[in-house]
Amino acid sequence: KQEVTQIPAALSVPEGENLVLNCSFTDSAIYNLQWFRQDPGKGLTSLLLIQSSQREQTSGRLNASLDKSSGRSTLYIAASQPGDSATYLCAVSLILTGGGNKLTFGTGTQLKVEL
Amino acid sequence: IAGITQAPTSQILAAGRRMTLRCTQDMRHNAMYWYRQDLGLGLRLIHYSNTAGTTGKGEVPDGYSVSRANTDDFPLTLASAVPSQTSVYFCASSQQGYSYNEQFFGPGTRLTVL
Repeated sequence: KQEVTQIPAALSVPEGENLVLNCSFTDSAIYNLQWFRQDPGKGLTSLLLIQSSQREQTSGRLNASLDKSSGRSTLYIAASQPGDSATYLCAVSLILTGGGNKLTFGTGTQLKVEL
Repeated sequence: IAGITQAPTSQILAAGRRMTLRCTQDMRHNAMYWYRQDLGLGLRLIHYSNTAGTTGKGEVPDGYSVSRANTDDFPLTLASAVPSQTSVYFCASSQQGYSYNEQFFGPGTRLTVL
């Protein structure tokens, strides 16, 4: 059974710092990996998707890496801002019979960026 | 605005009552999903549908049923609600073969069963 772990569970940093969020998974037979952002009381916003054949993906100040063989992904946030404060979720994907895909989620890293 | 809508936003329900959570997407995605989010457990898949007319069970299907009569709608029904079904429910969708099945999520329904 796939298990996804995110470390740390919570993180508080001063504005402007670069930071790294970690995600590890137990089964390397994944289809892709998605990083999401969740604001309090809100839904999930997809930030980045890394295909299983890719090593990294970038969007603005965000960079996600994937090392499938070791079961690890990192989300790098450059020059953090108070607006980055949210919970960040990592999810790995397994293809379902018939074409959809099942996501297995970690429990998230709650990030607070302070002024 | 394209995306996924869910209704109701929140609901308080007496145990034993029947409840249907609604989900509609306008992206013409073929696959749709229902997840529940519980503190300390993360999001877990309840049911999914790869295409209209088909459904499948996820990790935690007991006590829930779904139907997929058309592409856009994927309702989740609790036949007889129990307190352990108190949770936040998220509907999601993806398109097979598009962006590697990237999943997009609705805003969620907060359900409390007393």
